[in-house]
Amino acid sequence: DSGVTQTPKHLITATGQRVTLRCSPRSGDLSVYWYQQSLDQGLQFLIQYYNGEERAKGNILERFSAQQFPDLHSELNLSSLELGDSALYFCASSVDVRDRGNYGYTFGSGTRLTVV
Amino acid sequence: GENVEQHPSTLSVQEGDSAVIKCTYSDSASNYFPWYKQELGKGPQLIIDIRSNVGEKKDQRIAVTLNKTAKHFSLHITETQPEDSAVYFCAARDDFSGNQFYFGTGTSLTVIP
Repeated sequence: DSGVTQTPKHLITATGQRVTLRCSPRSGDLSVYWYQQSLDQGLQFLIQYYNGEERAKGNILERFSAQQFPDLHSELNLSSLELGDSALYFCASSVDVRDRGNYGYTFGSGTRLTVV
Repeated sequence: GENVEQHPSTLSVQEGDSAVIKCTYSDSASNYFPWYKQELGKGPQLIIDIRSNVGEKKDQRIAVTLNKTAKHFSLHITETQPEDSAVYFCAARDDFSGNQFYFGTGTSLTVIP
């Protein structure tokens, strides 16, 4: 158990629908990152939140949005789903780099989204 | 932004042999380089990392080397075992510009018993 909890583990939904993926970061970590991993592709950065505020944005579609709540858990909302959105979605967390206490990410085990 | 390239995309070795995975990066400001191992059905797990003020770091059978001038870094696994079979990702980050990592495209390593 990495300490980063992602739910649900699997999700099957139809095109056009909307889903919410949830992530609880490791205790003490203030930053949450979302990554998409499609078949035969690497880890595509979507978005980063730090202590409730958006810090960085990657290749995130306008149909996707995220937020981080006061208790630091984060949700990734995917709407108007298309077949191509089928992928593994990973959440990772870390302390702020300025703390110099930990440099690496801790990943969750991912949510496998299948759009049919 | 940073661009990280990783080679090879697939690698098969006999058990007991060594495996080497290479990455290059483009942003000279990058100063932290972790390696992640992803087993089937699991999230990536940090296995070793190196900072730009160090040229080599070793942890048992795993070592990472960094050449700042050439902007490349490599993962070396010696005496490979079947449980080393996984997908390995390299990554790079500039600590001063933010916390976002840029990942390579991954190497699928198969260790043949």
